[in-house]
Amino acid sequence: AQSVAQPEDQVNVAEGNPLTVKCTYSVSGNPYLFWYVQYPNRGLQFLLKYITGDNLVKGSYGFEAEFNKSQTSFHLKKPSALVSDSALYFCAVRDSNDYKLSFGAGTTVTVRA
Amino acid sequence: EAGVAQSPRYKIIEKRQSVAFWCNPISGHATLYWYQQILGQGPKLLIQFQNNGVVDDSQLPKDRFSAERLKGVDSTLKIQPAKLEDSAVYLCASSPETGMNTEAFFGQGTRLTVV
Repeated sequence: AQSVAQPEDQVNVAEGNPLTVKCTYSVSGNPYLFWYVQYPNRGLQFLLKYITGDNLVKGSYGFEAEFNKSQTSFHLKKPSALVSDSALYFCAVRDSNDYKLSFGAGTTVTVRA
Repeated sequence: EAGVAQSPRYKIIEKRQSVAFWCNPISGHATLYWYQQILGQGPKLLIQFQNNGVVDDSQLPKDRFSAERLKGVDSTLKIQPAKLEDSAVYLCASSPETGMNTEAFFGQGTRLTVV
């Protein structure tokens, strides 16, 4: 069975500073990893995914994520955060041995001006 | 292309009443998911369909929850009878046939309040 952990409930950064949101996973097969963002009263919006290949993947709104197999991590990053990046971020994983898409508990990002 | 459509957006019911939610996935998407998102938590998968067959319903409380996807297109999720702890946002999502490496596209959700 797969699982995903987001160790930080909240991340606070100043606008213009780098932003990192952490995610670790556990799977029995190969991982398919996803990041989503959720704004208040909205559904989840897809940001990026790692399937195979280059460990650094780039996505929407300037976000990127780095896959690290040895550390079973898939941290989300943005070099320069904006106030508009303030939202709830979810990491998700699908195990190659299972069709289920499982989500972490989420990390609330607050970017202060 | 049109996104995942869900209705209603909001629903308030008393405990022990029944309620139904409707979802219309993106056209051509074979996989449909229902998630429950309790305030402050991540989405929890309730049931996953591939066309009109169930792929996983291991976390669906089958004594009170049911879901169907007739004809492999739209889907309904029903709760009968509702409990206070069912208060949550119910999210529907869909993804294309290719499945494993494709992202899911989410609707805006139905916010259920049980009083």
